[in-house]
Amino acid sequence: QVQLVGSGGGMVQPGKSLRLSCAAPRVAVRDYGLSWVRQAPGKGLEWVTSISSGGAERSYAASVKGRFTISRDNTRNTLYLQMNSLRVEDTGLYFCAICVRDREDASLDYWGPGILVSVSS
Amino acid sequence: SYVLTQPPSVSVAPGKTATITCGADNIEHERVHWYQQKPGQAPQLVLYNESDRPSGVPERFSGSNSGHTATLTISRVEAGDEADYYCQLWDRGSDHRVFGGGTKLTVL
Repeated sequence: QVQLVGSGGGMVQPGKSLRLSCAAPRVAVRDYGLSWVRQAPGKGLEWVTSISSGGAERSYAASVKGRFTISRDNTRNTLYLQMNSLRVEDTGLYFCAICVRDREDASLDYWGPGILVSVSS
Repeated sequence: SYVLTQPPSVSVAPGKTATITCGADNIEHERVHWYQQKPGQAPQLVLYNESDRPSGVPERFSGSNSGHTATLTISRVEAGDEADYYCQLWDRGSDHRVFGGGTKLTVL
C-alpha cells in the first residue's frame, strides 16, 4: 500500500509564503512523476503542478505560475511545493499524488490525504 | 485547451446502472482517467486509460471513449458508490493536466 504523508499547511495572510511537503515513507518515488492537485472549499479538483521523476520537467497551472515552485528530493522520498505571494483564492486542500507511469498523460495513481491551506487577512 | 464537461449530478437506484459522461471535442484521441472522491477523503483512481481498472476496483466499473464523450459506467450500483466522480486528461496543447468539474452520484 502506497502511503503519502503531507505537512506544512496552515493559515497565512495574503502575500505570505508556505512550503508544503509530501513524504512517501514506504516507497521509493525516484521513478515516479509527482503532482499537486488542490480543491477549494466545496469545489472541484484543480491540477496545480507536476514534476518528472528526475525533476527536469515541471509544468504549472496558469493560476500559480511564477508564484509556486515544485521540487523533489528523491533521497528523502519527498515532494515539495513552495507557495509564495499567496492569495485568498489559493485557499483549499492540497493533495500530493504519484504518477507511476511518469508520463504527462498518465493517471494520478496514489493520493495523499490532503493538506489544508487557508489564506486570509 | 480542453474544457471537460460533466453533468453536475446523476441519481440512480441501487442495483441499476449509472452512466457519467465527460465531454470535450475529440476527446477520443486522449487518455482519460476517472477518480472517485468520497466526502472527507482524498480522490481515488477508479479507471485509467478510459477502461483499465487499478487493482482492487470492482469489475462493475467500466469505461469507454468515443467521439466527443468519455463515459464511466457503474453497473449494479451500491450505496457505497455514492461519491463525486471526476474525469481527467492531459492537454498536450497547454502541457497541463485538466479535470472535469465533477459529477455527484447519488444512490437513491
